[in-house]
Amino acid sequence: EDKVVQSPLSLVVHEGDTVTLNCSYEVTNFRSLLWYKQEKKAPTFLFMLTSSGIEKKSGRLSSILDKKELSSILNITATQTGDSAIYLCAVPPGNNRKLIWGLGTSLAVNP
Amino acid sequence: SQTIHQWPATLVQPVGSPLSLECTVEGTSNPNLYWYRQAAGRGLQLLFYSVGIGQISSEVPQNLSASRPQDRQFILSSKKLLLSDSGFYLCAWSANLNTEAFFGQGTRLTVV
Repeated sequence: EDKVVQSPLSLVVHEGDTVTLNCSYEVTNFRSLLWYKQEKKAPTFLFMLTSSGIEKKSGRLSSILDKKELSSILNITATQTGDSAIYLCAVPPGNNRKLIWGLGTSLAVNP
Repeated sequence: SQTIHQWPATLVQPVGSPLSLECTVEGTSNPNLYWYRQAAGRGLQLLFYSVGIGQISSEVPQNLSASRPQDRQFILSSKKLLLSDSGFYLCAWSANLNTEAFFGQGTRLTVV
């Protein structure tokens, strides 16, 4: 059965800390892995990682795909209170089926 | 550019009443459309998806139904709401079934 597991489920840090969020997957015909950030309402798309693009970076956020370990990490450096959110990971298995979602990591950044 | 509109933002309905949530997408043709439910701010549960007009796939048996009367319109309905239907409902679209999805702002439904 295809599945996506995120860890930790919840994390509280202080401003300025660096955090690493994990996403591991078991899916058939892996093609890509997606990261989203969800604040109060709609999840917003952050990164898509594929076999041909295993590392992405945007400002203080970066993500790496490890196909050997079947996992990805999302790194946030110098965290700010505005980084507080739920971070979701999703993987589309092959054969044109819908996204498989992890349960998310709830990150709280305290001032 | 593509945009997705979902309304209403918040809804309080009595048990047994009907439901209709609407979602429309602009700026793209033949999108894949999705309805998700998110309980307690975690875990997106896919309820329905549609690859074209009139084509609806249901992921979980429940008290809800979906319809796609037009290419860029997706409606979530119920004839009689249950307390357990309370939650945060998200509409989303994607170009393909296995690419990134983009979400509407969500509807927080409380059934009382």
